[in-house]
This record gives sequence, structure tokens and C-alpha cells, in this order.
Amino acid sequence: AQTVTQSQPEMSVQEAETVTLSCTYDTSESDYYLFWYKQPPSRQMILVIRQEAYKQQNATENRFSVNFQKAAKSFSLKISDSQLGDAAMYFCAYRSSLGRGTYKYIFGTGTRLKVLA
Amino acid sequence: NAGVTQTPKFQVLKTGQSMTLQCAQDMNHEYMSWYRQDPGMGLRLIHYSVGAGITDQGEVPNGYNVSRSTTEDFPLRLLSAAPSQTSVYFCASSYSTGYSYEQYFGPGTRLTVT
Repeated sequence: AQTVTQSQPEMSVQEAETVTLSCTYDTSESDYYLFWYKQPPSRQMILVIRQEAYKQQNATENRFSVNFQKAAKSFSLKISDSQLGDAAMYFCAYRSSLGRGTYKYIFGTGTRLKVLA
Repeated sequence: NAGVTQTPKFQVLKTGQSMTLQCAQDMNHEYMSWYRQDPGMGLRLIHYSVGAGITDQGEVPNGYNVSRSTTEDFPLRLLSAAPSQTSVYFCASSYSTGYSYEQYFGPGTRLTVT
């Protein structure tokens, strides 16, 4: 069964600095999708970035980028120039194909990011 | 577009009571799902649906029922509430085909069972 592991329950970063959140996953599939979601105190889940496994190029969205290592099954999130508004819980997620057009998403346990002024 | 809506936002139940958490989306998404979020456990999948009339169990389905009679609605029923079902519940939806596969989430329902 596919699993998603976030080994850092909590991380801290100084404002304007860079931080990397780790995510590893276990799968036997060759084609899949990976996501990072942000959950601020408002509780709303917000998509930060997505990565297709067949793409070798790492995805980038403004200050957010990923380091996707397919062979190592690693999908880390880098936040550059951290801002106070980046403080939130971050979840890594994997989209698993179940065949016959069905699929499901598997989430990690989350990393709480604190941004220090 | 309203996106994904959930009602109620908060609910307190007594053990043994039943209730339905409502979820609706107006984006014509085929895929809909229910998660529960507990501290230190991330989001765990309860039930999901890939289209009207099709549902399946996720990781933690016990104590919950779902049905999908329309594309828009995917209610979650608690048959006999237990304190272990105290949690925050999220509904989410996405397209089944296409580029994104991004899940859109509702605002969540905080449920307390006493």
C-alpha cells in the first residue's frame, strides 16, 4: 500500500530565510501525482504546488519549489524568502491510481511551520 | 462559483445520536471524498466517490455511510455517534481527467461527540 511520510512534525524559520520541508512516499506505481497543501489557522486547505511523476523538471510556484527525486521517492518543499503568512500546517499528498478510473489521495501527517519575526 | 460547501461548520452530538454532514460542489467534479483530520494523524480518507452512484471505502470507513445520487452532493452520515468520531471533517472534490487533479476542499466541520 502507498504511504506518505512527513518526518518533521514542526519546523521554524526566520522571516526572509529559506526552509525545506521533507516528504517521502512509498509506491510501486510509475505514473502518479504529488501535492503540497497549506493549512493556515483558518483551517482552509490551499494547494501550494503539484508535481507530475513523469516530469523530470521540478515544479516551481513563485517562492515555492520542490525537489522531486523519483528514484529516492522523495518530494521536499522549499520555501524561499519566508513570510509571516507562510506560517501554517503543510501536508504532502500522493494521488494513487486504483485502476478502472478510480483513485484516491493519501496524505502525510503534516509539518507545522513557524515563521519567526 | 461557490466551490465546495459544507454544513454545518460546528456540531455537538451526544453519544448514540445520528446526523448527516452535507457537502456540495458546483464545479461539475466527478471525484468527491470525505476526510477526517485528527492531531498528529493528518487527513485520513473515510469514503470517496468517482461519480454519481459510485462510492467506495477509504482508510477509516467504520461508523460512516455515504451515497452519491447526484454529481453535486456527497453527504456523510454518522449512524450512531461515538466519542472517537470527534474530529474535523473535510469534503473535497476534483476532476477525474485533465491536467490538474487538484483537490478543492470545503471549509471543514468541527464535530464534537460527548
